[in-house]
Amino acid sequence: QVQLQESGPGRVKPSETLSLTCTVSGGSISGTYWSWIRQPAGKGLEWIGRFSVSGSTYYNPSLKSRVTMSGDTSKNQFSLRLTSVTVADTAVYYCARGGSHDYWGQGTLVTVSS
Amino acid sequence: DIQMTQSPSTLSASVGDRVTITCRASQSVSTWLAWYQQKPGKAPKLLIYDASTLQTKVPSRFNGSGSGTEFTLTISSLQPDDFATYYCQQYNTYSYTFGQGTKLEIK
Repeated sequence: QVQLQESGPGRVKPSETLSLTCTVSGGSISGTYWSWIRQPAGKGLEWIGRFSVSGSTYYNPSLKSRVTMSGDTSKNQFSLRLTSVTVADTAVYYCARGGSHDYWGQGTLVTVSS
Repeated sequence: DIQMTQSPSTLSASVGDRVTITCRASQSVSTWLAWYQQKPGKAPKLLIYDASTLQTKVPSRFNGSGSGTEFTLTISSLQPDDFATYYCQQYNTYSYTFGQGTKLEIK
């Protein structure tokens, strides 16, 4: 059974960089795409981007200038960096597997606040 | 970008009802479409992928259909556990997109 777990700071200051990690257990991060998705409180889902360990990355055009995704096969983890955050980036952040996201992490709330 | 539009935004129904949610894409996504169910405070759960394939362990009362730009999710006989928010998502292009969601409420 594949399991995903997000981790990272729960609070980030405006203009700083949000960094999250997703740890995968029960399967390898090699061989498929992994995505980050976020959801502001009371709102819908927003796809942030996806990456594969082969080096392919694709980002939401609206966030592309601020997003970087990467992976560490030795730790079976992948990461999200979002720069120059504002209060609008406050959301629950999820990691998920594949094109149709069959496995999801439980989500982690990140609040952008000074 | 491909835009995904769901209708209705809110749907009121009763246990035992048959309900249909529609998802329209701004351009063809072939059958690269998924449906998710989300309950408050929980991660979304995959119900349907490739437009019509039922995910493992999802009850058969859920049915997905469509191709190209128009898709539907039908629940044949609503159960109490089905009241939730539903999202469609396309994964045809390099950049994926979700619909805005449909909240299914108890009438």
